[in-house]
Amino acid sequence: AQKVTQAQTEISVVEKEDVTLDCVYETRDTTYYLFWYKQPPSGELVFLIRRNSFDEQNEISGRYSWNFQKSTSSFNFTITASQVVDSAVYFCALSGLGGGGSRLTFGEGTQLTVNP
Amino acid sequence: KAGVTQTPRYLIKTRGQQVTLSCSPISGHRSVSWYQQTPGQGLQFLFEYFSETQRNKGNFPGRFSGRQFSNSRSEMNVSTLELGDSALYLCASSLNQGDYGYTFGSGTRLTVV
Repeated sequence: AQKVTQAQTEISVVEKEDVTLDCVYETRDTTYYLFWYKQPPSGELVFLIRRNSFDEQNEISGRYSWNFQKSTSSFNFTITASQVVDSAVYFCALSGLGGGGSRLTFGEGTQLTVNP
Repeated sequence: KAGVTQTPRYLIKTRGQQVTLSCSPISGHRSVSWYQQTPGQGLQFLFEYFSETQRNKGNFPGRFSGRQFSNSRSEMNVSTLELGDSALYLCASSLNQGDYGYTFGSGTRLTVV
């Protein structure tokens, strides 16, 4: 079975602070994909990044960066110099190539509030 | 290009009724997946359709069903609605089954009273 855990239910920061969202996953698949999605109040899930299990190279994209560590089964997400518009619920998700097919297994989500 | 379109945006139904939700994928996308989001259970996979065939199904009762048409548009149906079916239903499309390039719609918020 696959499982994604986001231990942080809510995070509140002041604008311009850096913030890291934690994600830990469990899977028996040797090949899998990890995702981060953002859900603003409008409800739509906005895709942020996808990583496959063979690519542990960390990535920076503008103010966003991701840290994938297979040894600890973690896929953390950092926002540098946070802005009010970053306020949303962030979901980490996992999809394996095993019996579960291409379904996404989501974590519980982390509500990020960035205060001015 | 147009994104994933879900209709209606909001829906209020009475317990015991049935409901049909619609999802139009991005043009050219052939795979459609459905997810249910509730405060208690979070985001849970319902089913996935590709080439008009259900390819994958989550752990939901038979009251939840779906289908996909030849133009890749998909519908999901919930019969004999229960209060616990109140949720945000999200649809995601991707080019092909298993290509993992999912794009989500804004969802249909269903309230069962």
